[in-house]
Amino acid sequence: DVKVTQSSRYLVKRTGEKVFLECVQDMDHENMFWYRQDPGLGLRLIYFSYDVKMKEKGDIPEGYSVSREKKERFSLILESASTNQTSMYLCASGRTDSPYTFGSGTRLTVV
Amino acid sequence: AQSVTQLDSHVSVSEGTPVLLRCNYSSSYSPSLFWYVQHPNKGLQLLLKYTSAATLVKGINGFEAEFKKSETSFHLTKPSAHMSDAAEYFCVVSDLTSGTYKYIFGTGTRLKVLA
Repeated sequence: DVKVTQSSRYLVKRTGEKVFLECVQDMDHENMFWYRQDPGLGLRLIYFSYDVKMKEKGDIPEGYSVSREKKERFSLILESASTNQTSMYLCASGRTDSPYTFGSGTRLTVV
Repeated sequence: AQSVTQLDSHVSVSEGTPVLLRCNYSSSYSPSLFWYVQHPNKGLQLLLKYTSAATLVKGINGFEAEFKKSETSFHLTKPSAHMSDAAEYFCVVSDLTSGTYKYIFGTGTRLKVLA
């Protein structure tokens, strides 16, 4: 089975901190995605990457950046965390013609 | 642009009764459609997918969905609800307009199963 692993299940950070959320997949997928999930809003795409060192903005990229130095790893970076970035963050990976596989999510609280 | 609308934010059913979760989509292309389920504090799990092979799609745990092009619908059904079906369900359409395989999610339907 494809595995998508998010490094932290729960995270509490202070306002203004730089935050790294890590995601690793083990099936050589070219596409990787970061979503945030908020009640009533569903999942919204932050950034995605379809190849190493490539990145594309999603629907809500403001306040975030990403890094993909290796094919299996896709990192989401909050340059200066703010309370409105408190959310559930979900990473996914997939091939272009197959369904995504999701990680278990990281619930981030910014205080 | 593609979009997906889940018509109910919450659905309650009694155990053993049928489940219907409604989803309408908008797409300029022949879409790929999916249903995912999310149990509390978990990631999303694929229930089923439609990719134009057959209009009635069977998924895991007894769920199925029917693609109706004339109604632009992809409703999820199950004949008999089980307590373990209580979860949030997401209808998803794939976005091929950008040349990459992005998903567009509905806002979710939370299913409650009453004993």
